[in-house]
Order: sequence, then structure tokens, then C-alpha cells
Amino acid sequence: QKEVEQDPGPLSVPEGAIVSLNCTYSNSAFQYFMWYRQYSRKGPELLMYTYSSGNKEDGRFTAQVDKSSKYISLFIRDSQPSDSATYLCAMSAGDYKLSFGAGTTVTVRA
Amino acid sequence: DTEVTQTPKHLVMGMTNKKSLKCEQHMGHRAMYWYKQKAKKPPELMFVYSYEKLSINESVPSRFSPECPNSSLLNLHLHALQPEDSALYLCASSRGTDTQYFGPGTRLTVL
Repeated sequence: QKEVEQDPGPLSVPEGAIVSLNCTYSNSAFQYFMWYRQYSRKGPELLMYTYSSGNKEDGRFTAQVDKSSKYISLFIRDSQPSDSATYLCAMSAGDYKLSFGAGTTVTVRA
Repeated sequence: DTEVTQTPKHLVMGMTNKKSLKCEQHMGHRAMYWYKQKAKKPPELMFVYSYEKLSINESVPSRFSPECPNSSLLNLHLHALQPEDSALYLCASSRGTDTQYFGPGTRLTVL
């Protein structure tokens, strides 16, 4: 079993829809949770960062962490074609090592 | 400013060549990283430098040799690579052990 599980998709939604992404994990030592967006042939761009459990909102993006269920989510409201990318969840126990999910490929159709 | 820069953007090299990848950050971060990413896979950690000292080496072959000349710079020296080493090489930095910021990557092709 992988340490971090993420459905690779692909996920296709119409413009304006809510995109819902999630990851589950098995290591209870994880305390830092991140979502990265990666466009084709580019480096990952940090979208959201959460320490421990809770919700965080930044514009159209909302990140949720539920440590009791070992489950994290990312919601993108009012999705745009420019949101089409691969979204990677990542988490860390504070030891310099990031454990990544497989990445979910999202296409927002105009 | 959360920018990590990498040069070159693209690199093509033969199996007998020696080349270097460069990474720079001016965020005052004290940890810097090298990752390798193959197509449709997440990044794989290669090396971690913390306070300019190599702290993690993920059993990377010796044909990859990292160097950290100062707290802002990170190099990856390449020698006698194999075609299967072709990948996107990513540099990242972090203030501590938490959030990492990635550079745009160097796309390496080994012929």
C-alpha cells in the first residue's frame, strides 16, 4: 500500500464547475499538507499549505485536512480553462521529505 | 518573492559528457533539494542540503554529484549518464522542514 493515495483521474469538468480533489494517507506522523499545481513540462507550483487539521481558503481555492480520517481535500470554485493541470498532494512529517500522491490530471472544458 | 531559478531550461548530452545543472534562490531558505521527475509521475527526492551540508542522499548513483557552494546556490554535476536518466530535474528550497518551493526544472535528454 502506498503511503499517499491519490486518484490519477483524469478528471474533466465544464467551466464554472467545482473541482474536488482528495488524497488519503497512512502515516500518522504527517503534519504538513500541501497542494501543488503542475502544468505540462513545468515545475510544481505551491497552491495551498496547511499545518495540522483544519480548513484554509485562498480566493477560489479551499484546502481541508482531517487528520482523524487521514484525508485531505482541495476544492476549486468557478473553475477556469487555465486551471487545467495536474494537481499533486504532498505531505511531510517535518523531516525534509515530501511524500507525494500520484497526481490528478484535471481538464476544465470551455 | 518565492522564486527558485534553474539553468539551463533544456539540456541534451551524450553518455560521455560532463555537464552541470544550476539552481539559485534568494529567499533566505536554508534547505535546498534536487528531485528527478519522469513523465506522469510525481517528483522523486535525490538530495537534500540543510545549512549547506548534505543531509539526505536517497541512494542516488554516483554519476550524479551535488554541490552547495553557498546558501543560495545548488549545483548538480552530471557525468556518464544513461538514457534512462532523461527526465525533468527539479530544484526546490524551504525555510525549514515544511513547505518546499520548486523551480521550473531542467529538461534533460541523454542520447
